[in-house]
Amino acid sequence: EDQVTQSPEALRLQEGESSSLNCSYTVSGLRGLFWYRQDPGKGPEFLFTLYSAGEEKEKERLKATLTKKESFLHITAPKPEDSATYLCAVQTLTQGGSEKLVFGKGMKLTVNP
Amino acid sequence: GAVVSQHPSRVICKSGTSVKIECRSLDFQATTMFWYRQFPKKSLMLMATSNEGSKATYEQGVEKDKFLINHASLTLSTLTVTSAHPEDSSFYICRSGEFNEKLFFGSGTQLSVL
Repeated sequence: EDQVTQSPEALRLQEGESSSLNCSYTVSGLRGLFWYRQDPGKGPEFLFTLYSAGEEKEKERLKATLTKKESFLHITAPKPEDSATYLCAVQTLTQGGSEKLVFGKGMKLTVNP
Repeated sequence: GAVVSQHPSRVICKSGTSVKIECRSLDFQATTMFWYRQFPKKSLMLMATSNEGSKATYEQGVEKDKFLINHASLTLSTLTVTSAHPEDSSFYICRSGEFNEKLFFGSGTQLSVL
């Protein structure tokens, strides 16, 4: 069964305290791994897509990496405005050939000033 | 870039009424739209997949008669929660099924049934 597990479930950081969020997955046939940011009452906001092991992408204070089993979202010197829930999702294909997106439960990040 | 517009963002209704949620693709044609439901502190759960011009495909455990999906055009998909009850209160989100790097989501609809 395809599974996506995010850890930790919640994380509190002080402003400037760097950390990493983990997304481990077991799927049959990875098409892509997606990271999203979600604020309360809003839809997910796209951050990154990673397609193959070894790939890395950066955007401001965020950097996403991918291996064959997991992805990390590194947050460098976070600011309070980085507080949000971060979602990881893995895209695969079903046996019938249709797209399937499997989400992790999310990780709530709180950055204190 | 491709944008999915979802309305309304928030709706409060009385038990027994029906609520329609719309998702429009603004600058592209969406032949497929995915509808999700999200409970507080939980992940997005796929409810159904709508395809333009054909019947929607529902996930196991999702009542077809309760959650009516219509995808009558290439730019509009709607989800109607019929005879809503308090247990239907949730956050509903649509997502374009067109393959692109970002997989665009709507902004979500918070439904509260009194």
